[in-house]
Amino acid sequence: GEDVEQSLFLSVREGDSSVINCTYTDSSSTYLYWYKQEPGAGLQLLTYIFSNMDMKQDQRLTVLLNKKDKHLSLRIADTQTGDSAIYFCAEMAAGNKLTFGGGTRVLVKP
Amino acid sequence: EAGVTQSPTHLIKTRGQQATLRCSPISGHTSVYWYQQALGLGLQFLLWYDEGEERNRGNFPPRFSGRQFPNYSSELNVNAFELEDSALYLCASSGTLVVNNQPQHFGDGTRLSIL
Repeated sequence: GEDVEQSLFLSVREGDSSVINCTYTDSSSTYLYWYKQEPGAGLQLLTYIFSNMDMKQDQRLTVLLNKKDKHLSLRIADTQTGDSAIYFCAEMAAGNKLTFGGGTRVLVKP
Repeated sequence: EAGVTQSPTHLIKTRGQQATLRCSPISGHTSVYWYQQALGLGLQFLLWYDEGEERNRGNFPPRFSGRQFPNYSSELNVNAFELEDSALYLCASSGTLVVNNQPQHFGDGTRLSIL
């Protein structure tokens, strides 16, 4: 079955690193995604990782995947106030359906 | 390049009315997806259209329907609107499926509310 879980809230100081964690259950997932949602807006695709990779880096973003434990994380280096948002991880299930976690609200304090 | 565009931004209906939401995909994308983001329920997959055909459907009642037009734009119809249908409806598009990993890119959504 498909189930994606995330912690609800993360508070971080500006300039520090943020780490958002996610667990998923569908071992057949081929791609895993991170999206960002700011207030009143839709979802912005941040990055994604193929299931046969362990790590992917994209500027300030680092994605780590532990396929054995079905654990995905997103690290944001040098977190800025503009990074305050809700972050969703998602797995691609059969039928091109994205299954999302409940979202992690990140609050960046100056 | 224009992203996914949705209209209207907001829609207010009374119980039992019909609502039509529209979506234009990114130029060159052939697949359109609809998701519901309801308070307390999170993001849930509704429908997937590709090349004018419905390819997959989520666990929603039949009053939710849609279609995709020859220009790849799409409509989502909500018939006999119910209180629990109040939500943000997000449309996404992706490229052709013959190429592996076509990420879904989202619009800003239509907020459907009950009067």
